[in-house]
Amino acid sequence: GENVEQHPSTLSVQEGDSAVIKCTYSDSASNYFPWYKQELGKGPQLIIDIRSNVGEKKDQRIAVTLNKTAKHFSLHITETQPEDSAVYFCAALGGNEKLTFGTGTRLTIIP
Amino acid sequence: GAGVSQTPSNKVTEKGKYVELRCDPISGHTALYWYRQSLGQGPEFLIYFQGTGAADDSGLPNDRFFAVRPEGSVSTLKIQRTERGDSAVYLCASSSGLAGQETQYFGPGTRLLVL
Repeated sequence: GENVEQHPSTLSVQEGDSAVIKCTYSDSASNYFPWYKQELGKGPQLIIDIRSNVGEKKDQRIAVTLNKTAKHFSLHITETQPEDSAVYFCAALGGNEKLTFGTGTRLTIIP
Repeated sequence: GAGVSQTPSNKVTEKGKYVELRCDPISGHTALYWYRQSLGQGPEFLIYFQGTGAADDSGLPNDRFFAVRPEGSVSTLKIQRTERGDSAVYLCASSSGLAGQETQYFGPGTRLLVL
């Protein structure tokens, strides 16, 4: 089955700086890659996603890049703000409709 | 519009008891998923429904776990003879079920604690 690895597990950045989180996946059949933000005591919230026919997608301060050949994808957050502090999960969806999640990155924005 | 809702938000039970966790998906969503999230981990797939039928239940850990979705909307996850290791957050998600619309929207979860 699919295996998703995520790095780093924790990340601290100064407010206003950029944050990058990286994931790799194993199943070449995976074709959809969402990123979720999870705040304490809440369910995961989708922040951006990308499909395998696209290499990059951007939504305001958030962007995701996908390299299908290398089987890795990354989340980029620019101009970070205190409210960006949360746990971020990458995930991959294969043909079996199951999302496989990474182990999460705890992002802390230092004011 | 209303998102995915889950009840109860918290459940404390004793080892050996039976529990039911409920999920109300987004109206009109035909696909429904259950995941389990242990502390410090990502959600892990349990079961997926398309309409009323379980399309994939390969993530259920053993036969103490069972889920139903009798009318193709609300779903109930049932755990028999609970064990302390069942303590986790149980998350429900739904999606439209249409091709090219894979986005899964999650509920707030039910925090289950087995004493």
